[in-house]
Amino acid sequence: QQQVRQSPQSLTVWEGETAILNCSYEDSTFNYFPWYQQFPGEGPALLISIRSVSDKKEDGRFTIFFNKREKKLSLHITDSQPGDSATYFCAARMSNYNVLYFGSGTKLTVEP
Amino acid sequence: DMKVTQMPRYLIKRMGENVLLECGQDMSHETMYWYRQDPGLGLQLIYISYDVDSNSEGDIPKGYRVSRKKREHFSLILDSAKTNQTSVYFCASSLWGAGGAEQFFGPGTRLTVL
Repeated sequence: QQQVRQSPQSLTVWEGETAILNCSYEDSTFNYFPWYQQFPGEGPALLISIRSVSDKKEDGRFTIFFNKREKKLSLHITDSQPGDSATYFCAARMSNYNVLYFGSGTKLTVEP
Repeated sequence: DMKVTQMPRYLIKRMGENVLLECGQDMSHETMYWYRQDPGLGLQLIYISYDVDSNSEGDIPKGYRVSRKKREHFSLILDSAKTNQTSVYFCASSLWGAGGAEQFFGPGTRLTVL
């Protein structure tokens, strides 16, 4: 059973629009949720993360919205730029436990 | 300079050959990981190492083994490679426990088994 699910599988937006990437999880003991960004030919890199005690985390144009009751979160990318075109992975882990459970990713394309 | 390196970056092997993938990190991280990435499946954990000679199976360990004799170095070994092990392999490292929230990834090794 997949612990972390992402949708959509792929998403295309125009430059300047807001891209919304969705994620849901199964295990209610998960309390840390990072989003990783991966460009073609590179390894994933941490973009932004949130802990379950918060319902929102902002970092520039990137914002995570977290709904603990529904076990859902989303990544909003405002004023999307062509340089944001990448695959985004949602992940989850439990406290003091190193294992990260990754979703299958959303491939974002930002058209100029 | 915080870095995870992987060698080789590209590798082509024939079915039944042995494969050695190498990973190094310069951050003195206790914990290291091997993942494989396949289209539509995200990152799947093969093995996790908590320190030298302290390794645990991940979700898909079958057909793989690992070796960690130095903290900064972690190897993935495929004995008698199979065609379904064709994939992109990523190594990562992190601190242990709560301080290890961020995993740092290497650039990956693209392995093709013919």
